[in-house]
Amino acid sequence: KQEVTQIPAALSVPEGENLVLNCSFTDSAIYNLQWFRQDPGKGLTSLLLIQSSQREQTSGRLNASLDKSSGRSTLYIAASQPGDSATYLCAVYNYGQNFVFGPGTRLSVLP
Amino acid sequence: DAGVIQSPRHEVTEMGQEVTLRCKPISGHDYLFWYRQTMMRGLELLIYFNNNVPIDDSGMPEDRFSAKMPNASFSTLKIQPSEPRDSAVYFCASWALTGISRGYTFGSGTRLTVV
Repeated sequence: KQEVTQIPAALSVPEGENLVLNCSFTDSAIYNLQWFRQDPGKGLTSLLLIQSSQREQTSGRLNASLDKSSGRSTLYIAASQPGDSATYLCAVYNYGQNFVFGPGTRLSVLP
Repeated sequence: DAGVIQSPRHEVTEMGQEVTLRCKPISGHDYLFWYRQTMMRGLELLIYFNNNVPIDDSGMPEDRFSAKMPNASFSTLKIQPSEPRDSAVYFCASWALTGISRGYTFGSGTRLTVV
């Protein structure tokens, strides 16, 4: 059974710092992995989706990497801004219709 | 495409009343999910459909909850009778394996308050 964890559960950084959020999964037979952000009281917004054949995806200041063999994905945020404050979740799809979300990392970027 | 559309955005109802939440998925997405989110329990998968057929409803809390997907463009989640502990934000999401909008797309959610 696939399990997804995200460490740390919460993170607070000063504005301008580069930071890394982690997502770990136990079953490496994934088809894809997707990163989301969720603002308080809002829905989930998709940030990046990485197929199992890919190593990384980039969008603006965001870069997501995938290492299937170690069961890890990282979301790198460059030059963080207060507007990046949100909860970040990863979701994994395994072959066999197995969809699993991580618990999320709550990020606060302080001005 | 306008994305995943959920209605209503907010619902306040009295305990014991029936509540129906609605969802229109993205056209061409062959999976549809219903999630519930609370501060205590986080994001919980209630049920999901593949090509309008329920695949896994093990997350549905109890018989008071039911979900249907009569066609590819519409799904409902019904709670009857509602209880205060059902208060949460309910999200609908659709998912596709391939295509420009592959992966999950979430609706804006329905905030349900049962008093």
